[in-house]
Amino acid sequence: AQSVTQPDIHITVSEGASLELRCNYSYGATPYLFWYVQSPGQGLQLLLKYFSGDTLVQGIKGFEAEFKRSQSSFNLRKPSVHWSDAAEYFCAVSGNTGKLIFGQGTTLQVKP
Amino acid sequence: GAVVSQHPSRVICKSGTSVKIECRSLDFQATTMFWYRQFPKQSLMLMATSNEGSKATYEQGVEKDKFLINHASLTLSTLTVTSAHPEDSSFYICSAQPSHMDTEAFFGQGTRLTVV
Repeated sequence: AQSVTQPDIHITVSEGASLELRCNYSYGATPYLFWYVQSPGQGLQLLLKYFSGDTLVQGIKGFEAEFKRSQSSFNLRKPSVHWSDAAEYFCAVSGNTGKLIFGQGTTLQVKP
Repeated sequence: GAVVSQHPSRVICKSGTSVKIECRSLDFQATTMFWYRQFPKQSLMLMATSNEGSKATYEQGVEKDKFLINHASLTLSTLTVTSAHPEDSSFYICSAQPSHMDTEAFFGQGTRLTVV
């Protein structure tokens, strides 16, 4: 079955600390992988995506993610978190159809 | 480029009435569009895949007679929630897959539906 698991429902980090959000997927074909961010009451903003090539992907707002096929993972990282990064983060997987399967989401809280 | 406009952004309707939500790709053509639903503090779940000129494909558990989808052109898909009830209150968001382009689908801004 195709699925995405984000093991951490809620994460709290101090401003300036590093961040890693975990994402594991199960997908039968070659996956396209995404990380989206959603602020309360807002739509989705694409942080980064992986289709092929270099497994370390750079995104917007200083985020990066690494695709590890052997671990079926696509973890999101940021070296220094800002208070404005507090939001809901969704990992998603698709094939080449554009149809996305989302993880449950991780709520990021940033302490001053 | 690659802008998807979704309208309205917010709507309040009375129980038993119908509501139409529009999803437009402004600067590209989209043979396929997708409709998702997000309940409060939950993830996004695909409701249906909308294909231009043909019937939509609904995910398991989604009532096709309640959630009517029309994709009459390469730039417009509509979702009509018929006979809305309070349990239909949710955040509905569409995405559009550019035709002939190997890229991701682009999301609209979403529609917050409240049924009273």
